[in-house]
Amino acid sequence: AQTVTQSQPEMSVQEAETVTLSCTYDTSESDYYLFWYKQPPSRQMILVIRQEAYKQQNATENRFSVNFQKAAKSFSLKISDSQLGDAAMYFCAYRSYGRKNDMRFGAGTRLTVKP
Amino acid sequence: NAGVTQTPKFQVLKTGQSMTLQCAQDMNHNSMYWYRQDPGMGLRLIYYSASEGTTDKGEVPNGYNVSRLNKREFSLRLESAAPSQTSVYFCASSGRGYYEQYFGPGTRLTVT
Repeated sequence: AQTVTQSQPEMSVQEAETVTLSCTYDTSESDYYLFWYKQPPSRQMILVIRQEAYKQQNATENRFSVNFQKAAKSFSLKISDSQLGDAAMYFCAYRSYGRKNDMRFGAGTRLTVKP
Repeated sequence: NAGVTQTPKFQVLKTGQSMTLQCAQDMNHNSMYWYRQDPGMGLRLIYYSASEGTTDKGEVPNGYNVSRLNKREFSLRLESAAPSQTSVYFCASSGRGYYEQYFGPGTRLTVT
């Protein structure tokens, strides 16, 4: 089964600075999707960004971008110009292209933003 | 457009009691999911329903049952609650493309 590893249980960043959250995954598949979800204290899971494995170009969404290294099975999230509202738990997730209903999540990274 | 809704938001049960968590989505999605979230473990899939009338086990199905009542609604039932089922439960849905999943606000369940 695919596994997703987030090796940083906690991270902190100064407001307006940049932080990178790490994620690695284990798979033998060539086609899949990767996601970053944000979970603020409200508990709501919010999609931050999505990456299709067949796309070489890294996905970006405003201040959020990813560094997708397929050969290394690495999918890190970069948050630029960090804001207080970015403080949350961040989960990396893997979804198989073939088994569409099987989404695997990492254990999460808690991000603190210091004013 | 409410997205995915869940009831209740909080619940406390005694060991051995039963209850049903309700979930509904208004996005006309075919697939629906139940997850549990425990500290340090991320989200784990309990059951899912790929379409109306079908359900399948996920990673941690023991102690749970589900019903896909119609396309909108997918319920999770605990027949005899145990302290190990203390968790936060999330319902999610996804559409035809099966890209991302959309989540409800979660239910915090405590079993004493």
